[in-house]
Amino acid sequence: EIVMTQSPATLSVSPGKRATLSCRASQRIGSNIAWYQHKPGQAPRLLIYDASTRATAIPARFIGRGSGTEFTLTISSLQSEDFAVYYCQHYNYRPPWTFGQGTKVEVK
Amino acid sequence: VQLVESGGGLVQPGGSLILSCAGSRFTFSTYWMTWVRQAPGKGLEWVANIKEDGSESYYVDSVKGRFSISRDNAKNSVYLHMDSLRPEDSAVYFCAREGSTSSFFEYWGQGTLVTVSS
Repeated sequence: EIVMTQSPATLSVSPGKRATLSCRASQRIGSNIAWYQHKPGQAPRLLIYDASTRATAIPARFIGRGSGTEFTLTISSLQSEDFAVYYCQHYNYRPPWTFGQGTKVEVK
Repeated sequence: VQLVESGGGLVQPGGSLILSCAGSRFTFSTYWMTWVRQAPGKGLEWVANIKEDGSESYYVDSVKGRFSISRDNAKNSVYLHMDSLRPEDSAVYFCAREGSTSSFFEYWGQGTLVTVSS
């Protein structure tokens, strides 16, 4: 099983500032990683797939990078609606698909 | 795309439950479908998925032998049959449609709550 490790657990950022979230895979996964945003009481929302491709209707301020084992999600200028929990997920080769433990982005 | 889960509720340890997920506004039979859960205060956990025609399915180790995923393409629905339920299975269960080319989760339902308690 591939273990996905996210850091930090919590990120305190002021609105308008940049946030960078990290995700490390326990083995090489190419570009087979997705990022999701999840708010309490709502369905998770796909932001990025294939490491760097934005999903439909996702704003350009969400930027995914990386390949192999090291990945980042950058939110270039945090808006009020961006404060949430973010998860990475691998889908390399075959299941089980695994998520990172999440990074909570909160208002500083 | 719309996904609507149903069937959650309170069940005693050792009991059974069947979750349903109805899909609409897309060609259901051409997509893998997945179940993901979130226990209270915890993160997301992938549970199981099933191929377009139902010929293949996969499970997380913690539910193997207890849960079974199935689908009925004529009814645009996917199911999660849960047996021998344990308190640690308590969670919100989401169904999701996978991507057309890879197993990321492109669209999600709102979830249904399962509570396993005596």
